[in-house]
Amino acid sequence: EPEVTQTPSHQVTQMGQEVILRCVPISNHLYFYWYRQILGQKVEFLVSFYNNEISEKSEIFDDQFSVERPDGSNFTLKIRSTKLEDSAMYFCASRGRTGVTGELFFGEGSRLTVL
Amino acid sequence: AQSVSQHNHHVILSEAASLELGCNYSYGGTVNLFWYVQYPGQHLQLLLKYFSGDPLVKGIKGFEAEFIKSKFSFNLRKPSVQWSDTAEYFCAPVLTGANNLFFGTGTRLTVIP
Repeated sequence: EPEVTQTPSHQVTQMGQEVILRCVPISNHLYFYWYRQILGQKVEFLVSFYNNEISEKSEIFDDQFSVERPDGSNFTLKIRSTKLEDSAMYFCASRGRTGVTGELFFGEGSRLTVL
Repeated sequence: AQSVSQHNHHVILSEAASLELGCNYSYGGTVNLFWYVQYPGQHLQLLLKYFSGDPLVKGIKGFEAEFIKSKFSFNLRKPSVQWSDTAEYFCAPVLTGANNLFFGTGTRLTVIP
C-alpha cells in the first residue's frame, strides 16, 4: 500500500538553527499538508499546499515557516530560526484529486526537539 | 465560529467493556465527518468516515459511529474493546468544499487487559 514517508524521524537542534523536514507524499496525490502535535496536545493544522502554492495556512505558520515542493516528489517544511516552542511532532499528509477533503494519508512524523 | 468538542479527555476501560467517545461540532453548513486514530508511537490513520446516507457508519477494527444531525454529534462506539485499541482518537468534521482538516482535542483511550 502506498504511504507517505518522512525524514528525519527525529531531529535535535539548537535554538536559532534552521531545520528542514522532508516528506515524500503518495505519488499521484496533489494536495499536501503539514500538521504538528506538541507533546500531550492536539494535532494542529499548519499549512496546505496545492498546485505549487500555499492554499491555506494557520496562525502558527508565521514568517519563520516555509514550504516547498522542490522537485515534484518531495514536500519540505523549513523552520528558519527554531524556537523552544517549535519542539513537536510534525506530520506530513497528502490526498489525491478524487479524495474528499478529510481523507488524508499521514506520514509517521518527524519529531523535532529544540534545545 | 467552527469548533469541535471531544468531551472525554482520557477514558480507561477494561477489555471487553463497551466504548463510546463523544464528538460534537459547531459548523455552519454541510459537513463530512471523520474519526482518526493514533496508536502509540504511530501516525494518524483514518478509522471511519461519514459523507451521506446511512448515519450509522462502520469502520475498521469493529468501530462504528453515528451521525445525529439534530445533535451535531458523531460519537464513536465499539461494543467490546481490546487492549490493542489503546490509542488516541481524534474527531474531525470538515465542511463540504473546504480544503483542510481540523482535529478535535482528542480522547486518549487506555484499555486495561
